Amino acid sequence: SQKIEQNSEALNIQEGKTATLTCNYTNYSPAYLQWYRQDPGRGPVFLLLIRENEKEKRKERLKVTFDTTLKQSLFHITASQPADSATYLCALDRNTGNQFYFGTGTSLTVIP
Amino acid sequence: DAGVIQSPRHEVTEMGQEVTLRCKPISGHNSLFWYRQTMMRGLELLIYFNNNVPIDDSGMPEDRFSAKMPNASFSTLKIQPSEPRDSAVYFCATQGEMNTEAFFGQGTRLTVV
Repeated sequence: SQKIEQNSEALNIQEGKTATLTCNYTNYSPAYLQWYRQDPGRGPVFLLLIRENEKEKRKERLKVTFDTTLKQSLFHITASQPADSATYLCALDRNTGNQFYFGTGTSLTVIP
Repeated sequence: DAGVIQSPRHEVTEMGQEVTLRCKPISGHNSLFWYRQTMMRGLELLIYFNNNVPIDDSGMPEDRFSAKMPNASFSTLKIQPSEPRDSAVYFCATQGEMNTEAFFGQGTRLTVV
């Protein structure tokens, strides 16, 4: 069955640095991959989508890469700010309909 | 649009009681999902509706769980009887026909004691 792994450890970085989060998957080939942000007590909020034929996608300080050979996506936040502190989830489509598999998330803390 | 609206935000109930969680999707969105989130298992898809029809309920853990979508503007997730291991945050999410992103509600935190 499919498996999605994100950084199991919480990530702490200094303000201004680039945060890099990892999403690895096995046993299938998604057509697209999404990244969501979740704050405590709130539902996940969509950030970016990247398709299998795209290598990289950017949105303001966010950058996502998608390597279908390595079965890996990297999510970068440049010039990180304390307000970026949250849990970040990757989600992969299930190849059937609109359903997704979600990773367990990586908790990011940006230290002022 | 106010987004996906879930109620209640918090629910505390005793083991064995029936629990009903409610969701009002974003108007015009034709896909609706119920998820459960726990620290151990993350976000798990329970059931998926498209145009009010249940498409995939393979994630529903047991017969104690049931979900309905009687119309395009309302869905319920019912647990009967509830057990302590059902304690989790339950999210409803919706998706438009042309969009691939999901819009989540604020969630219902369920505690079964």
